[in-house]
Amino acid sequence: NAGVMQNPRHLVRRRGQEARLRCSPMKGHSHVYWYRQLPEEGLKFMVYLQKENIIDESGMPKERFSAEFPKEGPSILRIQQVVRGDSAAYFCASSPNTGGDGGYTFGSGTRLTVV
Amino acid sequence: ELKVEQNPLFLSMQEGKNYTIYCNYSTTSDRLYWYRQDPGKSLESLFVLLSNGAVKQEGRLMASLDTKARLSTLHITAAVHDLSATYFCAVDIETSGSRLTFGEGTQLTVNP
Repeated sequence: NAGVMQNPRHLVRRRGQEARLRCSPMKGHSHVYWYRQLPEEGLKFMVYLQKENIIDESGMPKERFSAEFPKEGPSILRIQQVVRGDSAAYFCASSPNTGGDGGYTFGSGTRLTVV
Repeated sequence: ELKVEQNPLFLSMQEGKNYTIYCNYSTTSDRLYWYRQDPGKSLESLFVLLSNGAVKQEGRLMASLDTKARLSTLHITAAVHDLSATYFCAVDIETSGSRLTFGEGTQLTVNP
């Protein structure tokens, strides 16, 4: 069982470029969550998705950020026109069902640096 | 809005000593989680607490939950250097969906 796979592990983008972060949930997990961690802070919820559906995007910034979880393939977190303030670690988590009864498993994260 | 507060935020302790990290949350919760994070790494799940009075232990760590007081504790017994890390508590409320609200984290340093 490969766990939650995120790639890339590190991503450097210039201001104004686009960043695409990928997350493949654990086998058998159909619920995906994205969190952002700024330096020296806790994780902040961004978005919760199931296959082909966004369930809760209340933590997503209103502009430039979008997420999807297509029928086939990984979940994608997309940041358009990145700015320095987007530099952070982005973690994906998955769970087998809603409510996290099976627990949440986190990926290793993507560390985005905007220069 | 759900708030989760941990204290202390920074904890420096000697090996062999005991200490407790506290996690308060502001509204009724379904579940409470404790995670460990090493610098530059992901989150490692330590405990999932599902009901009032739940107590779980793993090695030198023991977690408990009091849902009436909206309080969880993570107790460290006879600390060793390998426990140095940042510890997060997180609360899960199932409303229209599920998501974790994290505390600020407690940065623990265990000195020889």
